[in-house]
Amino acid sequence: EIVLTQSPDFQSVTPKEKVTITCRASQSIVTSLHWYQQKPDQSPKLLIKYASQSISGVPSRFSGSGSGTDFTLTINSLEAEDAAAYYCHQSSSLPITFGQGTRLEIK
Amino acid sequence: EVQLVESGGGLVQPGGSLRLLCAASGFTVSSSHIYWVRQAPGKGLEWVSVIYGDSRTSYADSVKGRFTISRDNSQNTVYLQLNSLRREDTAVYYCARVIGASYAYDLWGQGTLVTVSS
Repeated sequence: EIVLTQSPDFQSVTPKEKVTITCRASQSIVTSLHWYQQKPDQSPKLLIKYASQSISGVPSRFSGSGSGTDFTLTINSLEAEDAAAYYCHQSSSLPITFGQGTRLEIK
Repeated sequence: EVQLVESGGGLVQPGGSLRLLCAASGFTVSSSHIYWVRQAPGKGLEWVSVIYGDSRTSYADSVKGRFTISRDNSQNTVYLQLNSLRREDTAVYYCARVIGASYAYDLWGQGTLVTVSS
């Protein structure tokens, strides 16, 4: 099983700040890594697919990078509406796994 | 409108059964892969099962032998039969879609809550 470890678990940030969330895989998954945003009482929403590919309708302040075992989700110029939990997800092999999540609080 | 709608959740005693439904509209489930992902209260996301377009299925070890995924193409609906339920199966169950060559989940339902308690 491929284990995904996100850091940090929690971060309190101010609007307009730049935020970086990392996701480390226990073995290489090339670029089969996707990022989701989940707001309270909502279902997850796809933000970035295959490490760095943008998704139509997602604000351009969200970007992703990485390959192999180390991946990053970057949020430029954070907005209040970005308060949410963020999850990485690998589709390289079964069982499908997710990171434990990173909760962003906006000060 | 392209959407997934889950239903069938509820309160069930340990050892009991439930059948969850994932009804699709705006696309055909037989031309996509449908995944079930669950989220225990206050916890993260956990993959449960998948049914591929060619009808192959796969399960997480935690549910293998207890849960069964199936599909009714005429109803454009995917089912998840939950048997021998345990307290640790308590969660919101989401269905999610994979379509085309991308294995990212581009469409999620709103979820249905399963509570296993006596």
